[in-house]
Amino acid sequence: GENVEQHPSTLSVQEGDSAVIKCTYSDSASNYFPWYKQELGKGPQLIIDIRSNVGEKKDQRIAVTLNKTAKHFSLHITETQPEDSAVYFCAASGGSYIPTFGRGTSLIVHP
Amino acid sequence: GAVVSQHPSRVICKSGTSVKIECRSLDFQATTMFWYRQFPKQSLMLMATSNEGSKATYEQGVEKDKFLINHASLTLSTLTVTSAHPEDSSFYICSASTTAALGEEKLFFGSGTQLSVL
Repeated sequence: GENVEQHPSTLSVQEGDSAVIKCTYSDSASNYFPWYKQELGKGPQLIIDIRSNVGEKKDQRIAVTLNKTAKHFSLHITETQPEDSAVYFCAASGGSYIPTFGRGTSLIVHP
Repeated sequence: GAVVSQHPSRVICKSGTSVKIECRSLDFQATTMFWYRQFPKQSLMLMATSNEGSKATYEQGVEKDKFLINHASLTLSTLTVTSAHPEDSSFYICSASTTAALGEEKLFFGSGTQLSVL
């Protein structure tokens, strides 16, 4: 089955800096890679996703890149703000559409 | 994005009682719904997958008689924790799959239910 590794587990940055979270996956058949943001006591919120026919996607301060050859994808957050502090999960899924999640990254943005 | 409503957000119950958690897709019809369990500071653990009108598919190690799932319509799925015990205390989250434009599926989550069994 699919295996998704996510790094780092914790990321601490100063407000205004950029943050990068990286994930690798094992199943070459995976073709959909969403990213979720989870605030304390709440459910995960889909913030951006990318499919295997695209190498990069951007939405305001958030961008995701995908390298299918190397089987890795990354989340980039620019100009971080305190409200970006949360746990971020990457996921990968293929034809069955049951996503496999990474272990999560706790992002802390210091004012 | 699509809205998934989950209730209750928090429930405290006595050991031995049953608790029902509801998950509704408010503005779309969910072809498939998923139920997850999450322990503090850990990732999401898939418990079961349910399709409307059919029996749920449970992940290995999840007791189907303890965690009853009903998906009676395209907008409602329920999870009932039967004869709850303290070890069932956890954060339970539902999610619903929708086929967006061009037939691409996306997964949206409810707000979660914190279950505490005394």
